[in-house]
Amino acid sequence: EVQLVESGGGLVQPGRSLKLSCVASGFTFSNYGMNWIRQAPGKGLEWVAYISSGSSYIYYAETVKGRFTISRDNAKNTLYLQMTSLRSEDTALYYCARVGPTIDYWGQGVMVTVSS
Amino acid sequence: DIVMTQSPTSMSISVGDRVTMNCKASQNVGSNVDWYQQKTGQSPKLLIYKASNRYTGVPDRFTGSGSGTDFTFTISNMQAEDLAVYYCMQSNSYLTFGSGTKLEIK
Repeated sequence: EVQLVESGGGLVQPGRSLKLSCVASGFTFSNYGMNWIRQAPGKGLEWVAYISSGSSYIYYAETVKGRFTISRDNAKNTLYLQMTSLRSEDTALYYCARVGPTIDYWGQGVMVTVSS
Repeated sequence: DIVMTQSPTSMSISVGDRVTMNCKASQNVGSNVDWYQQKTGQSPKLLIYKASNRYTGVPDRFTGSGSGTDFTFTISNMQAEDLAVYYCMQSNSYLTFGSGTKLEIK
């Protein structure tokens, strides 16, 4: 069974940093591209970042470019999102999601709240 | 960026109704549109991929159609368990989502 389990969220002050993790199981993680997608409370879905299976291709939404870094460790079956210079508008539930070849599996999400 | 304009925003429906919603892309996205169902408190679930292909295990009352810029998603015989928010998503250039269609019981 495919499982994606996010962690690392919490309450953080504006301007600070936070690193999210997503541990994958039930499939060969190193064969799949991965995304981070977020959802602000009561709002719709927003793509954040993509990383290819071997980390050769990385893309970001304009809203996070220069502040967020997506990475992965295929030996640990883990996807990461390093978030810096956080803003109130980054408050959201962050999902990791598998590309196979479209977004076919999503984690349950981890909440990030940016507030003073 | 490609904008996906989804309509309507919400619908009040009865069990057994036929439900249709639409997404219009701001530019040609081919058939690279998927449809997702998100129930309250849950993560989205893939229903339709590449505009018209039903994902594994998805009941045949869910169908999708369209190509280019105009896409339609239909539930042919609405069931109570189908109450949710439905999103379209284009993957032709990065990913962008429609704003969602919320289905509510009349």
